Amino acid sequence: KNQVEQSPQSLIILEGKNCTLQCNYTVSPFSNLRWYKQDTGRGPVSLTIMTFSENTKSNGRYTATLDADTKQSSLHITASQLSDSASYICVVRTTDSWGKFQFGAGTQVVVTP
Amino acid sequence: KAGVTQTPRYLIKTRGQQVTLSCSPISGHRSVSWYQQTPGQGLQFLFEYFSETQRNKGNFPGRFSGRQFSNSRSEMNVSTLELGDSALYLCASRVWGNTEAFFGQGTRLTVV
Repeated sequence: KNQVEQSPQSLIILEGKNCTLQCNYTVSPFSNLRWYKQDTGRGPVSLTIMTFSENTKSNGRYTATLDADTKQSSLHITASQLSDSASYICVVRTTDSWGKFQFGAGTQVVVTP
Repeated sequence: KAGVTQTPRYLIKTRGQQVTLSCSPISGHRSVSWYQQTPGQGLQFLFEYFSETQRNKGNFPGRFSGRQFSNSRSEMNVSTLELGDSALYLCASRVWGNTEAFFGQGTRLTVV
């Protein structure tokens, strides 16, 4: 069973609207959680990183939240743009000696005009 | 600063052949990791190299192997290719101890 579950699998939103992506994890011990954005045919690019003590972090129109108690994170996209069409991947890192990464399957976001 | 460079970008091979993919990390990054990405499975970790030694390994068969050179460049080899090996292979580099990995554009491998 994947230790990082993302929902929804895909979503379509109108340009200018907001949306929220979810990431639930069971990875333990927890070190940090990153959200990556991957455009079609490109490599993923980091958007935000959240550590245990952080609740909210913003990067422009992207805002990530973390609830380490419930092991849930969300990524909120405000006033979506066509360029936001991409796959958003949640990645959780453990604190074991080699810092292994666990990947979610991603949420495919399509922004339509 | 140049990003992570993967070559080739696209590759078509037939079943049973072998393939070697190359990854040049960002200057100063000594850790290189490899991932397989398919529509159904998402990103799956293959292995990570640091200082020419494999440090982490995912759950892939022995047909998948890699190595890292003294200049931190890395190669990944897949032998006896199967149709299911068709995927986007991504390489990422990072400063060892830093959690942010920078990804290359990937190599799109198609096995026919």
